[in-house]
Amino acid sequence: AQKITQTQPGMFVQEKEAVTLDCTYDTSDPSYGLFWYKQPSSGEMIFLIYQGSYDQQNATEGRYSLNFQKARKSANLVISASQLGDSAMYFCAMREFESGNTPLVFGKGTRLSVIA
Amino acid sequence: SAVISQKPSRDICQRGTSLTIQCQVDSQVTMMFWYRQQPGQSLTLIATANQGSEATYESGFVIDKFPISRPNLTFSTLTVSNMSPEDSSIYLCSVYSAESASVYEQYFGPGTRLTVT
Repeated sequence: AQKITQTQPGMFVQEKEAVTLDCTYDTSDPSYGLFWYKQPSSGEMIFLIYQGSYDQQNATEGRYSLNFQKARKSANLVISASQLGDSAMYFCAMREFESGNTPLVFGKGTRLSVIA
Repeated sequence: SAVISQKPSRDICQRGTSLTIQCQVDSQVTMMFWYRQQPGQSLTLIATANQGSEATYESGFVIDKFPISRPNLTFSTLTVSNMSPEDSSIYLCSVYSAESASVYEQYFGPGTRLTVT
């Protein structure tokens, strides 16, 4: 079963506007973490933000924030004040902690294009 | 954070041959992960490599096709054997952050872009 679902294959946003990238997940593990990574055309994977399942507040890192809705099992990434350099693939990922140090499982990704 | 290097960064190989990809980490880590990213696709875990034990492979990946070595806590190799064009992908090495720090972050090497002709 798909554990991470990203339903937006591609998104466009005007420079300086905010954009939300959707991510839903599926797990029965009570302890898990949600991650967002950025992959520019160079191919490197850049860690952006992390949200733990027990965290009371939504995570924020600079222009990135994570809209975590646990009951809906969603962990959407919000990028504020988009810049041209934000154009990239964005991957949502999850790790389940109950069974130890398991590796990340990734969604299919969303390609974000920022328009000047 | 962990700094990860991979060699080679890219290669073009003939079908039927094998390529060994090296992954070096600047700190000691217990677990190293190998991922594959086929063109236009997401990352798929190939195997988890622990030092001193056999690698654990995910469904659809076998040791004969993707043998892995893990001789010490900072180094691992992945071999792509008897290559076919379907093996053309980016192969990425990944580790958790330094053992003494938060275990929440997972870092990736720059990847090896493999093209099989």
